[in-house]
Amino acid sequence: QLQLQESGPGLVEPSETLSLTCTASGDSISSSSYYWGWIRQSPGRGLEWIASIYEGGSTYYNPSLKSRVTISVASSKNQFSLHLRSVTVADTAVYYCARQKIVGGSFYSFFDNWGQGTLVTVSS
Amino acid sequence: QSVLTQPPSVSGAPGQRVTISCTGSSSNIGAGYDVHWYQQLPGTAPKLLIYDNTNRPSGVPDRFSGSKSGASGSLAITGLQAEDEADYYCQSYDSNLSGWVFGGGTKLTVL
Repeated sequence: QLQLQESGPGLVEPSETLSLTCTASGDSISSSSYYWGWIRQSPGRGLEWIASIYEGGSTYYNPSLKSRVTISVASSKNQFSLHLRSVTVADTAVYYCARQKIVGGSFYSFFDNWGQGTLVTVSS
Repeated sequence: QSVLTQPPSVSGAPGQRVTISCTGSSSNIGAGYDVHWYQQLPGTAPKLLIYDNTNRPSGVPDRFSGSKSGASGSLAITGLQAEDEADYYCQSYDSNLSGWVFGGGTKLTVL
């Protein structure tokens, strides 16, 4: 049974870089059937997809965040990471990592397993 | 403003049936991309409820069902229970935005 766990600082200063890591246990992130992604939820708001990565190296970014985001994978550690640069208070949110099942084509995909989420507050 | 439109809230009494709509466009659901649904109980992470328009993951009660028609998807919950009170989100892919998108979410209140 796959378990995902986010880790990283809970407080980031404005203009700095938010860095989070997701550690997978119970399954390998090298599986060819999945992407691995990040989603966030601002306080009292809905869900926003941030980025996804395929173990082979393909990356996909939300166009509204693309200029500030990097997603990477460390297969040997069964981890993938998110870096969000030049953060502002608007980036305050619960950040979730998730496994993304690929069905019948690159973009036919859903999030079938989620981490518990980690709250990141941007404040000085 | 989400590209997938959901009603902000719905409500129903225990035992009743409610539906939640997810209206998209020709660049997402209407283009043939599937609709998926998630349930988010208070203070918890979202959980996959329906995938590929109509399919339930193992463990999801058959009280929950999904459908898709044209550029819209719909989630139906029959035999409402107090434990169903949660936020529900639809999700698809949008070719104009080149990314996966979520609806704004619907809060279900069990009266």
